[in-house]
Amino acid sequence: LAKTTQPISMDSYEGQEVNITCSHNNIATNDYITWYQQFPSQGPRFIIQGYKTKVTNEVASLFIPADRKSSTLSLPRVSLSDTAVYYCLVGDGGSSASKIIFGSGTRLSIRP
Amino acid sequence: DSGVTQTPKHLITATGQRVTLRCSPRSGDLSVYWYQQSLDQGLQFLIQYYNGEERAKGNILERFSAQQFPDLHSELNLSSLELGDSALYFCASSAHLGGEETQYFGPGTRLLVL
Repeated sequence: LAKTTQPISMDSYEGQEVNITCSHNNIATNDYITWYQQFPSQGPRFIIQGYKTKVTNEVASLFIPADRKSSTLSLPRVSLSDTAVYYCLVGDGGSSASKIIFGSGTRLSIRP
Repeated sequence: DSGVTQTPKHLITATGQRVTLRCSPRSGDLSVYWYQQSLDQGLQFLIQYYNGEERAKGNILERFSAQQFPDLHSELNLSSLELGDSALYFCASSAHLGGEETQYFGPGTRLLVL
């Protein structure tokens, strides 16, 4: 199974671009990379998902190099409300009997 | 609002007791996942059901069990509760199986074992 490694915490300021990198050296061919955001005492919320290259939506961008052994979540012009824990998840959506590992996440703190 | 509902929102019980947590997935979603999140910890995947059948198992204790009913709602049963079982329990659902499926999480049930 593909274990993920993320920085435990990151700090930034309002208006800055934040990049959070996730390592997943054992990613399998069928695995997708999904990022979730979680605020305290709330359930995680889907941010973005990708398989390879670059994906962009209204919230974030996801950069995946050709070897797919890592991925970078990019949050443009962060605000205080982006303070949360961000999880990188690698998996095949349960189409096979595989474990789903969220990892410990990255605690992002945004300052004024 | 993700469309996933969980009841109860809070639950306080004593050690040795048994509780049942309930989850209703988003309309049309066939897959249900259960997670445990202890204080300041990451999400631990417990178990997944798809259309009534168990699909994947994570770090679920033998004291815990789950099922998914024909109407697709799911229940997580926790028995012989210990202090360490105090945690947030999340349910998530997705439409089908497959790598591109994303999970929609409910608001969670906060369990406190005294």
